[in-house]
Amino acid sequence: GQSLEQPSEVTAVEGAIVQINCTYQTSGFYGLSWYQQHDGGAPTFLSYNGLDGLEETGRFSSFLSRSDSYGYLLLQELQMKDSASYFCAVSQGGKLIFGQGTELSVKP
Amino acid sequence: NAGVTQTPKFRILKIGQSMTLQCTQDMNHNYMYWYRQDPGMGLKLIYYSVGAGITDKGEVPNGYNVSRSTTEDFPLRLELAAPSQTSVYFCASSYGVDREGGYTFGSGTRLTVV
Repeated sequence: GQSLEQPSEVTAVEGAIVQINCTYQTSGFYGLSWYQQHDGGAPTFLSYNGLDGLEETGRFSSFLSRSDSYGYLLLQELQMKDSASYFCAVSQGGKLIFGQGTELSVKP
Repeated sequence: NAGVTQTPKFRILKIGQSMTLQCTQDMNHNYMYWYRQDPGMGLKLIYYSVGAGITDKGEVPNGYNVSRSTTEDFPLRLELAAPSQTSVYFCASSYGVDREGGYTFGSGTRLTVV
């Protein structure tokens, strides 16, 4: 089986940095992905970590440590439009299994 | 390039009715998936397909059926609709699950069973 844990809610102010953690317990793990979903919308792909370490894409970075079964998404220079739900997902046997999501609220 | 297209966008069903949710993609992706998302929750995998003619169960397959006769289309069939199937359904596709680029999702079908 598999399970992922991430905080249900995070609040931060505009311009700040926020980190959303994700821990997982799964067999046959291949990689960790992150998706963003604005209220009512389709999830959109943010990043994928197939190897340990940091991946950077603009203001967003994602990190994976296989030995710790842990990853995080780092959002820098927060903007109001970053208010959304963020999901980590593990790749396993041809499919993605999603966590419950973290709702990020960015305040002025 | 339309990506992943789902129809209908909204639907109200009565208990016991059946319907098919349509999903088509024009990116020549081999992998296609159906997820459901209940309010405030994550996405749960219903069924997936790694290519035409191949389908497999996900986490919550009961009450649903799928087929994959072409690379482009992956319809989801609900038989004998129940209130527990009230949810938002997302179809997605990808070149492969363990590759850069991730999944491309459709805009969703909002289904209410009354």
